[in-house]
Amino acid sequence: EADIYQTPRYLVIGTGKKITLECSQTMGHDKMYWYQQDPGMELHLIHYSYGVNSTEKGDLSSESTVSRIRTEHFPLTLESARPSHTSQYLCASSEGSDEQYFGPGTRLTVT
Amino acid sequence: GQSLEQPSEVTAVEGAIVQINCTYQTSGFYGLSWYQQHDGGAPTFLSYNGLDGLEETGRFSSFLSRSDSYGYLLLQELQMKDSASYFCAVRDNYGQNFVFGPGTRLSVLP
Repeated sequence: EADIYQTPRYLVIGTGKKITLECSQTMGHDKMYWYQQDPGMELHLIHYSYGVNSTEKGDLSSESTVSRIRTEHFPLTLESARPSHTSQYLCASSEGSDEQYFGPGTRLTVT
Repeated sequence: GQSLEQPSEVTAVEGAIVQINCTYQTSGFYGLSWYQQHDGGAPTFLSYNGLDGLEETGRFSSFLSRSDSYGYLLLQELQMKDSASYFCAVRDNYGQNFVFGPGTRLSVLP
């Protein structure tokens, strides 16, 4: 059973606010990912990390940042939220294969 | 860059067999994966093909032809609970970046 957690599950905030979406996994996986997914649409990779102190941007241009100070923790920060950031954010981890374990997601609404 | 194509929707009846195709264009290729996602849920891994041929896992099978840049997911003995979206995904030429297809919404009718 995969153990990957995201908080909050739902968030409604106003424009201009700074927010951090949390993601933690207890499987000791080195690889972690953040995806953005609009309803009924594909997943877009926005950030990934292959280990502590290693972060890279994905294909989707994003105004967010990430950090990887501990193996188990991979938070995503939006410095100034905008309505265009309204979406679902999914965190995932993997050990070395193509099998990714996904968290339950954070549904973000920016008003 | 990478691009993947899948049919947007497929409908079938319980007990039937359905095939969901995926074609891809990549500057490099490290394998094709399939994920299932129910409405409101997170994607879950179904299968991976790194080499040509068929991989079977219970009612689900996945096939890859690298020379044709093509793969498919085969679902047998369809059940109502199989109604979901199915995504194919590839890793890019550096093997670091994952790209997902647009997804195929499967509806299983009684």
